[in-house]
Amino acid sequence: EVQLVESGGGLVQPGGSLRLSCAASGFTFSSYEMNWVRQAPGKGLEWVSYISSSGSTIYYADSVKGRFTISRDNAKNSLYLQMNSLRAEDTAVYYCARDFPGQDLWYFDLWGRGTLVTVSS
Amino acid sequence: AIQLTQSPSSLSASVGDRVTITCRASQGISSALAWYQQKPGKAPKLLIYDASSLESGVPSRFSGSGSGTDFTLTISSLQPEDFATYYCQQFNSYPFSFTFGPGTKVDIK
Repeated sequence: EVQLVESGGGLVQPGGSLRLSCAASGFTFSSYEMNWVRQAPGKGLEWVSYISSSGSTIYYADSVKGRFTISRDNAKNSLYLQMNSLRAEDTAVYYCARDFPGQDLWYFDLWGRGTLVTVSS
Repeated sequence: AIQLTQSPSSLSASVGDRVTITCRASQGISSALAWYQQKPGKAPKLLIYDASSLESGVPSRFSGSGSGTDFTLTISSLQPEDFATYYCQQFNSYPFSFTFGPGTKVDIK
């Protein structure tokens, strides 16, 4: 089955760190660009970060730049998000999302179920 | 960066109704727009890409249209499983980013 499964969420104090993981299965993970997208409770969707299939190209939203680091291990079919200096406003469900296959098709065709990150003292 | 607005922000409709949701971009984006459906507690699901292309497995009662700055998602005959929140999404090449609209919640009248 083609799927993405996130893990690593939880409760963390402001200023703390957390590492999210996303395990991919059922498709050739190393061929796809990947992203993290988050959704604060009761709010809309916000793109967080992008990584190319090889890991050589990375982008971040301004809201997380300098604090979050995206990475991937194609041998382990896994995507990661290292989150440091966490703030209350980072509280959200974090989804990993696969880029739609094809050149210049910047959409998300496969999503995980998400993992909840709560930043609170 | 290009911003997206959606209207209405919410609507109430009955099973069998024709529903139309609008997404407007702050600048022209050709046909580079997608629509997603999200049900409570679930991940978003891609419905439409490139403004009018139906994603595989999505029922044909969903359709998309538009180009430039104005886009529409239409549900031709609303079904019970269609009550959800719908988001439009586009891509900015510079600076690199993805933008979602604020969402339109469709609930039962």
